[in-house]
Amino acid sequence: DTGVSQNPRHKITKRGQNVTFRCDPISEHNRLYWYRQTLGQGPEFLTYFQNEAQLEKSRLLSDRFSAERPKGSFSTLEIQRTEQGDSAMYLCASSPVSGHAQYFGPGTRLTVT
Amino acid sequence: AQKITQTQPGMFVQEKEAVTLDCTYDTSDPSYGLFWYKQPSSGEMIFLIYQGSYDQQNATEGRYSLNFQKARKSANLVISASQLGDSAMYFCAMRDYFGNEKLTFGTGTRLTIIP
Repeated sequence: DTGVSQNPRHKITKRGQNVTFRCDPISEHNRLYWYRQTLGQGPEFLTYFQNEAQLEKSRLLSDRFSAERPKGSFSTLEIQRTEQGDSAMYLCASSPVSGHAQYFGPGTRLTVT
Repeated sequence: AQKITQTQPGMFVQEKEAVTLDCTYDTSDPSYGLFWYKQPSSGEMIFLIYQGSYDQQNATEGRYSLNFQKARKSANLVISASQLGDSAMYFCAMRDYFGNEKLTFGTGTRLTIIP
């Protein structure tokens, strides 16, 4: 079984630039989640998709953040006008409708200089 | 609102010994699930074990067991016969089943296994 994959694994960008991350869930998992993890903390929920529908968004997801899952398969997370506070690990997870657990990818580490 | 508390920032355990990682939770929802994840230095969150709030028996998965005490709102992870590869961060998490899909995580415990 292929697990959740995320690209890129690392991204260094300058403040003010836009960045986009991609997540490919486990095939046939119709639920997809994005989390953000800062140093010394557990992951914090950002948003959730069931198929192509974005059903839940955290208050952490400011106007500069947007996520899509256009065909119900892979998802993208875009951050516009990045700020130093956006530096974090961005984790993607997926789960089947019938299961309880969310299965995480390796994450994308973002550094904003 | 849900809250997870992990009071042990770090633990050191001798190889082959059993270890208990503490987790307490707070929720007003009657239906919820509790999870443990392992995060090695590579960064990936690895699902270990799940316990539903209505499950009568404690969950077990190989060397992992979850000591679920509902009245005390605790969900401790027990790792038997620890191995060097168990060294990692461990996170307790929960979700409720009333329209929420998100997992709420604690701050984690860093476990180090000593040879």
